[in-house]
Amino acid sequence: SSELTQDPAVSVALGQTVRITCQGDSLRSYYASWYQQKPGQAPVLVIYGKNNRPSGIPDRFSGSSSGNTASLTITGAQAEDEADYYCNSRDSSGNHLGVFGGGTKLTVL
Amino acid sequence: QVQLQESGPGLVKPSETLSLTCTVSGASISSYYWSWIRQPPGKGLEWIGFLYYSGNTNYNPSLKSRVTISVDTSKNQFSLKLSSVTAADTAVYYCARWAVRGVIHYFDYWGQGTLVTVSS
Repeated sequence: SSELTQDPAVSVALGQTVRITCQGDSLRSYYASWYQQKPGQAPVLVIYGKNNRPSGIPDRFSGSSSGNTASLTITGAQAEDEADYYCNSRDSSGNHLGVFGGGTKLTVL
Repeated sequence: QVQLQESGPGLVKPSETLSLTCTVSGASISSYYWSWIRQPPGKGLEWIGFLYYSGNTNYNPSLKSRVTISVDTSKNQFSLKLSSVTAADTAVYYCARWAVRGVIHYFDYWGQGTLVTVSS
């Protein structure tokens, strides 16, 4: 079982704001990173660190963190944002291991 | 432009060893951490392990007894070996660069992925 917990599915109306969350003890110590994956494609990094976007990622994507919960927010969701989203962090054991959340399927209505 | 490319057999027989290579271009493998990640069909991502160019490695505890990740700095490549495979190891296997800066870490470059099917 994953040490990072995500809701399996979330939906949002076109143009509205959606928050996707990731919970885990390790998030009290380490930042999460977030990945977007569309069918048949490799994951793409969208947010890392406190709230950093790689070049080419629209500014409607933002990240935040509080306690044991990290959040990815899409402000003004677009049809092309429909995808699976995964969070990633270190495990909570301190053994320098990586772990992914189970993923959230985002549907844009 | 950093690019990663996985290569290796797409079909492996049960009980045999899965072997994949990731060729890195646009960056020296002699820096950063490098990882393997897999995704069974229709399922989520699973972190397999990482390697630092010096040879330091760490693996997912659930796979540790069967996994070896190694590096060939002369070829700018790193490799994955997974022994005693079963059908449960059927997955798309990705290699990725793992940027680690204290409490911040992320996979910034990924290969396109390669499907490995375990079947007789």
